[in-house]
Amino acid sequence: DGGITQSPKYLFRKEGQNVTLSCEQNLNHDAMYWYRQDPGQGLRLIYYSQIVNDFQKGDIAEGYSVSREKKESFPLTVTSAQKNPTAFYLCASSIATTGSGYTFGSGTRLTVV
Amino acid sequence: AQSVTQLGSHVSVSEGALVLLRCNYSSSVPPYLFWYVQYPNQGLQLLLKYTSAATLVKGINGFEAEFKKSETSFHLTKPSAHMSDAAEYFCAVSLNTGFQKLVFGTGTRLLVSP
Repeated sequence: DGGITQSPKYLFRKEGQNVTLSCEQNLNHDAMYWYRQDPGQGLRLIYYSQIVNDFQKGDIAEGYSVSREKKESFPLTVTSAQKNPTAFYLCASSIATTGSGYTFGSGTRLTVV
Repeated sequence: AQSVTQLGSHVSVSEGALVLLRCNYSSSVPPYLFWYVQYPNQGLQLLLKYTSAATLVKGINGFEAEFKKSETSFHLTKPSAHMSDAAEYFCAVSLNTGFQKLVFGTGTRLLVSP
């Protein structure tokens, strides 16, 4: 069955470390997205990519980086510059044109220790 | 720019009662609208969507929503709540042309009591 896989489900980061969250999809979707979710704040867009080798900053890109070398993969790196990284991170994908909505992965919960 | 407002961060109902979750949108052009459900520590699942066909949209798990342009609303309803409906619900809006970029509301947590 097609879907989106996020790994790991839980991740612990020490102060000053970079960590990378994985997102893989086998839906043949062109577009992929990363959201951050904090209690009471809904979903905030970090980065999105419409096609391979291209991506754009979302509303809260500072302290994060991404790459899109393959259509299936859109990893997110949380850098040491992100001052408050503890959150639930969601990856999504979609066809590029509007109307279909997104398919979401099951999320990664990142905690700074 | 588009936006959505979900009234009420928490809604409590009894099992068997009507569920009504409110969503109002702002968009300079006719929008596409979506409702998603999220269970604890999981991703979001699409419940239903409005893409300018019928204004009353039926989704999964017995939910439906009605697009009302005059009220700029897209409220989610279910006639009879089940315990399994307890979750967080998100309304989202996008343009009806061009690249698909959803803007989400802040969510409403539905609590169902026996």
